[in-house]
Amino acid sequence: DGGITQSPKYLFRKEGQNVTLSCEQNLNHDAMYWYRQDPGQGLRLIYYSQIVNDFQKGDIAEGYSVSREKKESFPLTVTSAQKNPTAFYLCASSISLRVNTEAFFGQGTRLTVV
Amino acid sequence: AQKITQTQPGMFVQEKEAVTLDCTYDTSDQSYGLFWYKQPSSGEMIFLIYQGSYDEQNATEGRYSLNFQKARKSANLVISASQLGDSAMYFCALREYGNKLVFGAGTILRVKS
Repeated sequence: DGGITQSPKYLFRKEGQNVTLSCEQNLNHDAMYWYRQDPGQGLRLIYYSQIVNDFQKGDIAEGYSVSREKKESFPLTVTSAQKNPTAFYLCASSISLRVNTEAFFGQGTRLTVV
Repeated sequence: AQKITQTQPGMFVQEKEAVTLDCTYDTSDQSYGLFWYKQPSSGEMIFLIYQGSYDEQNATEGRYSLNFQKARKSANLVISASQLGDSAMYFCALREYGNKLVFGAGTILRVKS
């Protein structure tokens, strides 16, 4: 089945550690995104990528890093510089950045700092 | 400045009745798209409906319709004949030409039996 796979579903991290969240899509989409969601809040954009080997910062990029070495993959690293990383992280993709292209989402990763 | 504003943090609706969820947006672009997503308690994001800025007709998808008032920059979601399974968080989102997708803060909808 075509779709977006995020792993793991739940992730626990000790303070001061970096952790990488996986996002893979087999929809042949050019654009990919990472969003952060805090309890009862909306989605805030961390990073997005329009094509391979290119990505742009979103509204809350500090303390995060990404790579886009393959079209199918857009991993997100939460670094120790992120002061409050406990949140729900959603990965998404779309065919392009054209105005009429909807985004498809993965199931999300719940990250907890212990 | 906020691109998308959803002023209703929470809404209640009686089963089988219609409900309107508000969304206003801010853009100076002529070409843009507006989206509504549903997020159940499981966390997944489900695409519901899309409206393009040049579309003359309001979008409809089954029980969902979008009341698009371009001059007022509003794109309200109307859910007809509410069902218990409609209880969820609903997000409005804006995509400007060649740009990222920006979401509002969301509205929690609770359907009462």
